[in-house]
Amino acid sequence: DTGVSQNPRHKITKRGQNVTFRCDPISEHNRLYWYRQTLGQGPEFLTYFQNEAQLEKSRLLSDRFSAERPKGSFSTLEIQRTEQGDSAMYLCASSPTARANTEAFFGQGTRLTVV
Amino acid sequence: QKEVEQNSGPLSVPEGAIASLNCTYSDRGSQSFFWYRQYSGKSPELIMFIYSNGDKEDGRFTAQLNKASQYVSLLIRDSQPSDSATYLCAVNSGGSNYKLTFGKGTLLTVNP
Repeated sequence: DTGVSQNPRHKITKRGQNVTFRCDPISEHNRLYWYRQTLGQGPEFLTYFQNEAQLEKSRLLSDRFSAERPKGSFSTLEIQRTEQGDSAMYLCASSPTARANTEAFFGQGTRLTVV
Repeated sequence: QKEVEQNSGPLSVPEGAIASLNCTYSDRGSQSFFWYRQYSGKSPELIMFIYSNGDKEDGRFTAQLNKASQYVSLLIRDSQPSDSATYLCAVNSGGSNYKLTFGKGTLLTVNP
């Protein structure tokens, strides 16, 4: 399977715990994005990487959230001290070479439930 | 605040009919427009993109773009029960060629 891969698919955690999600983009894609989607809403942009550089972070991304893409390949999204409001689907997407108007392809998502 | 608005659903059509999904956007500088299909509990799947005014056809799907009216639509001809899903409109705003702003989606149900 050469699509965007996310792990884990589901995560249930207790409030206050830390969680980390992983995303493996399509291999030739140098752009990687994280989005968050809650029930009944469209995905909301969180952050964007071009290769290993994190070029934009949304104001939605509080200090408890951190994302990395250390070697310009896979990426991780960590949430520290989780809150119930963090419960959502976390979606990773990637798109090909740095040109305008590129289409983004999404992974299967990680559904986080904070109890 | 850059916004993307989609016609409120749910939309219900009989099998074989044409389903029409509409989207308006607020950022006049927007450059590119995407339609994603999302089945319940699954991630969005890209089905169409359009960059220029006019129509773009791909099989049973036609995307229509009118930048002057800030309007983009998706027509699904010969609708099938398997088309039942939420359809998300997404827009790259003019200042960013990578970040997508999504609408809330329109739930389409195709009745056999």
